[in-house]
Amino acid sequence: SQQGEEDPQALSIQEGENATMNCSYKTSINNLQWYRQNSGRGLVHLILIRSNEREKHSGRLRVTLDTSKKSSSLLITASRAADTASYFCATDGLRDSNYQLIWGAGTKLIIKP
Amino acid sequence: NAGVTQTPKFQVLKTGQSMTLQCAQDMNHEYMSWYRQDPGMGLRLIHYSVGAGITDQGEVPNGYNVSRSTTEDFPLRLLSAAPSQTSVYFCASSSTTASKAFFGQGTRLTVV
Repeated sequence: SQQGEEDPQALSIQEGENATMNCSYKTSINNLQWYRQNSGRGLVHLILIRSNEREKHSGRLRVTLDTSKKSSSLLITASRAADTASYFCATDGLRDSNYQLIWGAGTKLIIKP
Repeated sequence: NAGVTQTPKFQVLKTGQSMTLQCAQDMNHEYMSWYRQDPGMGLRLIHYSVGAGITDQGEVPNGYNVSRSTTEDFPLRLLSAAPSQTSVYFCASSSTTASKAFFGQGTRLTVV
């Protein structure tokens, strides 16, 4: 069962524009993470935001978390061709008495030169 | 730093064959997991381990076995391959079950 749902499923923008993708989840969380996956490669961790944080920055990335709406957004500013990838959110959900990462289906981002 | 190493990168199997996907990490992480990724879907957890000698089933365990004899290694066995197991498989490790995860490069498996 998916905890996180990314929106949109696909996004195509011009290089230099900002890209925003969203993640909604269903149950309460301790933290939410964003990952990037380049085509045919493994996932790479981008940022982790805890439930008591509202915003976090890392370079050109800005992540917000609204626990009242059970949603998060990832903003990539001044996009570059190298940002072309799929982006996934993962939340920690309780499964069989262990917290596990539960993944959304991802947003496919294409940056046009 | 090697991180998480998965082998092989590509594999084609015939229905009914068995094989083992290898995964090793050098970060001394207690938690390791196997996922499969199918088009248009997020990662689905197959099996996981919270330490040497301890394994448990994830969301889609049928048709797969795992073992964890050392902290470093966590192989995934396909017992009798079926076309439904055609997928991309990822191994991951982390210090705890829901902390920052490090992924291998993936194994693209095709069962014909």
